Amino acid sequence: GAGVSQSPSNKVTEKGKDVELRCDPISGHTALYWYRQSLGQGLEFLIYFQGNSAPDKSGLPSDRFSAERTGGSVSTLTIQRTQQEDSAVYLCASSVHGPPYEQYFGPGTRLTVT
Amino acid sequence: GENVEQHPSTLSVQEGDSAVIKCTYSDSASNYFPWYKQELGKGPQLIIDIRSNVGEKKDQRIAVTLNKTAKHFSLHITETQPEDSAVYFCAASKETSYDKVIFGPGTSLSVIP
Repeated sequence: GAGVSQSPSNKVTEKGKDVELRCDPISGHTALYWYRQSLGQGLEFLIYFQGNSAPDKSGLPSDRFSAERTGGSVSTLTIQRTQQEDSAVYLCASSVHGPPYEQYFGPGTRLTVT
Repeated sequence: GENVEQHPSTLSVQEGDSAVIKCTYSDSASNYFPWYKQELGKGPQLIIDIRSNVGEKKDQRIAVTLNKTAKHFSLHITETQPEDSAVYFCAASKETSYDKVIFGPGTSLSVIP
């Protein structure tokens, strides 16, 4: 079946512009995660949605970052007034509610802020 | 909160040799420990996981061991092949209905033909 998809695959934007990154999780997966991965670095947790519960926003690095998940499915990560340090690959993952808790990752969106 | 450390950060082995990656975690309540492999340009993919009710799990050339007392867990890859070259992430979480997975910083494994 279809996996997690993300769009766009690449995004180049000018410093100060806003960007929106989209994630389409696997159908039926109630948990959705956003991570940021800078070049050669690990996975930095950003935000976690689980069903109808309030999202865990503890990883968002500043108030320029926000995310929403509409209808328990598609999620959008928005970065306002982008800065050069926002340049990274943004990964989305989804999982089912309950064991085995395997996260299925999308291919990521490579964001470059010039 | 949970903190996961991972060593080494880079590892280079000859083809056919074994590779071992070690992780430690801080939260004694964690009971689910997955390992993910990330190939260049792709998202991470689960390769093996272990739960706290077992001490070792094997799947062909890969195995994971868990020492809950010491809060250590390790990934062992035997008979390494060039296609094993990738970044490997360990992770830890509590198997509750609302608990995020905490990842280690990753190990870049290179298998030299």
